[in-house]
Amino acid sequence: SYVLTQPPSVSVAPGQTATIPCGGDTLETTSVHWFQQKPGQAPVMVIYDDSDRPSGIPGRFSGSKSGNTATLTLGRVEAEDEADYFCQVWDSVSEVVVFGGGTKLTVL
Amino acid sequence: EVQLSESGGGVVPTGESLKLSCAGSGFSFGSYAMSWVRRGPRRGLEWVSGISASGGRTYYSESVKGRFRIFRDNSKKTVDLQMNSLTAEDTAIYYCAKVPGSSLAVAEFDSWGQGTQVTVSS
Repeated sequence: SYVLTQPPSVSVAPGQTATIPCGGDTLETTSVHWFQQKPGQAPVMVIYDDSDRPSGIPGRFSGSKSGNTATLTLGRVEAEDEADYFCQVWDSVSEVVVFGGGTKLTVL
Repeated sequence: EVQLSESGGGVVPTGESLKLSCAGSGFSFGSYAMSWVRRGPRRGLEWVSGISASGGRTYYSESVKGRFRIFRDNSKKTVDLQMNSLTAEDTAIYYCAKVPGSSLAVAEFDSWGQGTQVTVSS
């Protein structure tokens, strides 16, 4: 089955930039989406179609993709950005949705 | 404003069944594909099942295929998940999520409900 690989954790100081990678075969040919989930809350989409930002999501959030790695970048990190972040794709071969394992972002 | 509200969660013995329901409002429910996603304790997000806008196409993860069934009633603006043969591995918060299109393929989840807790106990 299709696998998306994310680091379990990333730490960053306030005001710095955090980057969260997501790797998977054939990522360069499929759209990648990103979700933020804080404890006790529902997930929120922060990036869709690799790099588009939904309305209401701060401009500090950006997405990019190079080859088979997609990256979520959070600029000028704030304490409120501390959360779990998940990448997601559609596996067109198996016709299933796949989530990455998630990355816990800690703001030091 | 899009609103999704899940119900039907609870505590159920291993091997039993449970049906979850998600009610949508604030959008043209019958025009959009829907999905169920869960998050178990100390685990990440796991996609469970999805259904096209018309209900004509359904999709399941390998972990629930043959045990769960998704269906929708566009006249009532609901999407349900019938869960059978439940095990401890199914313990999770179950979220209903909306897709910004009629098909599940490729698309993302632009709105989520607050979730309903399912606990399978032995």
